[in-house]
Amino acid sequence: QKEVEQNSGPLSVPEGAIASLNCTYSDRGSQSFFWYRQYSGKSPELIMSIYSNGDKEDGRFTAQLNKASQYVSLLIRDSQPSDSATYLCAGLLNDYKLSFGAGTTVTVRA
Amino acid sequence: DAGVTQSPTHLIKTRGQQVTLRCSPKSGHDTVSWYQQALGQGPQFIFQYYEEEERQRGNFPDRFSGHQFPNYSSELNVNALLLGDSALYLCASSLPVPTDTQYFGPGTRLTVL
Repeated sequence: QKEVEQNSGPLSVPEGAIASLNCTYSDRGSQSFFWYRQYSGKSPELIMSIYSNGDKEDGRFTAQLNKASQYVSLLIRDSQPSDSATYLCAGLLNDYKLSFGAGTTVTVRA
Repeated sequence: DAGVTQSPTHLIKTRGQQVTLRCSPKSGHDTVSWYQQALGQGPQFIFQYYEEEERQRGNFPDRFSGHQFPNYSSELNVNALLLGDSALYLCASSLPVPTDTQYFGPGTRLTVL
């Protein structure tokens, strides 16, 4: 079983819609979770971190964490063409190692 | 505020050769982690350096080795290159304890022919 898994995608949404991305993890000891955005040919860029159960909002992005269900999600509201990218979910294991999912590719249609 | 820097940007090597990749951490960070990202996959953890020592290692063979210098910069060395080593190599820096938010450099694209 992979440590972090993301729903396969790809995800295509119209401009202005909500994009919903999901991620599950296997290690109950994981305490910190991150969402990175990666444009094609570029390196991952941090967009959100979340440590506690519940929601965390930052602009058009909302991260949700449910430790009982071992589930992390990211909502992108009012999606823009510039949001078209691959989104990587990561969990911090053993305080040192980031374990990443395979990523979900999002395309926002103008 | 200087971010994470890596060199070179691109590199082409042949099988059996050796390669050295370099990384300078973000200002104020002293912990460096290295990741390998194959096409279409998420980054895979190689190892992490703190206080000039390897603190943790992922599932990579001994052909992958590293070093951290007193100024916190780091090198990743790969010996006896294989075709499967072709990937984007990412360096990330962070504060040491806990190793929390990791910021990535632009990466080095390695192609092994």
